[in-house]
Amino acid sequence: SQTIHQWPATLVQPVGSPLSLECTVEGTSNPNLYWYRQAAGRGLQLLFYSVGIGQISSEVPQNLSASRPQDRQFILSSKKLLLSDSGFYLCAWSLGTAAYEQYFGPGTRLTVT
Amino acid sequence: EDQVTQSPEALRLQEGESSSLNCSYTVSGLRGLFWYRQDPGKGPEFLFTLYSAGEEKEKERLKATLTKKESFLHITAPKPEDSATYLCAALYSSASKIIFGSGTRLSIRP
Repeated sequence: SQTIHQWPATLVQPVGSPLSLECTVEGTSNPNLYWYRQAAGRGLQLLFYSVGIGQISSEVPQNLSASRPQDRQFILSSKKLLLSDSGFYLCAWSLGTAAYEQYFGPGTRLTVT
Repeated sequence: EDQVTQSPEALRLQEGESSSLNCSYTVSGLRGLFWYRQDPGKGPEFLFTLYSAGEEKEKERLKATLTKKESFLHITAPKPEDSATYLCAALYSSASKIIFGSGTRLSIRP
């Protein structure tokens, strides 16, 4: 069966500090991978998605970036965090063929102070 | 622009009191309609996919239905453990990503 991991689970960072969130998927090959952000009481905002190694599509211009160094690894980064980057970050995967449902990881709660 | 709208924003029910959650979507080009459950502080959990009008799917006390312009999540005789936020999402042929609604916060009182 497939499993998706995210770490860290929680993170408190000062404004201007760098960020690196990691997501890995087990039990499947060549998944589509997604990064979402969820503000308190709000819906999910798609940040990045990737259909393969080194292929990243950005949905929202901001100070965040994403990379996919390996087939089942997806990393979200920032060089300098802003207060507005606080939120709940979710990684998800899908097969991207006939079935498009996405499966989510446990999430990372980021607080920028 | 493709949109997904959920109503109500919040719903409080007594245990055993059945009800429905609504999800309205942009009709043109729909490829799939998804329902998720999200508990506080956790990632969304996939529940159902619906592909065509008239389709229905069930899981325990939940039943999802799809018409030509909206989807319903029916909750029959809910229990307190059904309390969660329920998210609806739609996939369109014009995009390779799904669009999420803002969710309905469901609270079941014992």
